[in-house]
Amino acid sequence: QKEVEQNSGPLSVPEGAIASLNCTYSDRGSQSFFWYRQYSGKSPELIMSIYSNGDKEDGRFTAQLNKASQYVSLLIRDSQPSDSATYLCAVTRGSARQLTFGSGTQLTVLP
Amino acid sequence: DVKVTQSSRYLVKRTGEKVFLECVQDMDHENMFWYRQDPGLGLRLIYFSYDVKMKEKGDIPEGYSVSREKKERFSLILESASTNQTSMYLCASTADDTQYFGPGTRLTVL
Repeated sequence: QKEVEQNSGPLSVPEGAIASLNCTYSDRGSQSFFWYRQYSGKSPELIMSIYSNGDKEDGRFTAQLNKASQYVSLLIRDSQPSDSATYLCAVTRGSARQLTFGSGTQLTVLP
Repeated sequence: DVKVTQSSRYLVKRTGEKVFLECVQDMDHENMFWYRQDPGLGLRLIYFSYDVKMKEKGDIPEGYSVSREKKERFSLILESASTNQTSMYLCASTADDTQYFGPGTRLTVL
């Protein structure tokens, strides 16, 4: 089992819809969880971090964490074509807070 | 704004060459990381450093070494480049839990 797994893509949603991205992780000791967005040809940029169970909202983005189920998700409301990118789930491990990344989900928002 | 820079955006080298990839951050971060990114595999950690002259192996260190002589600079070294090291290489530095990435170096080994 991979340490961090993301739902297989690619994912296409129409403009204005809700995009749902999912991620599971294997290490029950993981404490910090992140969603990065990566546009084609660019480097990843952090869009959300979440540390405790429940929901965390930031604008159109909501991260959800369920540590008992080892599950973290990202909801994008009112999806825009500019949201089209690859979304990477990442989990912290180790004393230097190194990250383990999932393989990413490619999202396309259709106008 | 945090700035992480990498020495080259694109690099083409021949098999057997020694390759240096350099990364510089301007925010006095303790921790720095080198990843490679390949289609379908995501980002994989090669090496990281938590202080000057300190380094730790990541998940795929074989064929690589690193150097950190100054806090702001972290170098990745391919001692003898091979074609399976053709990849996108990303450097990152971190403050608290946020990793800031450089623009990446796309390395092609012929």
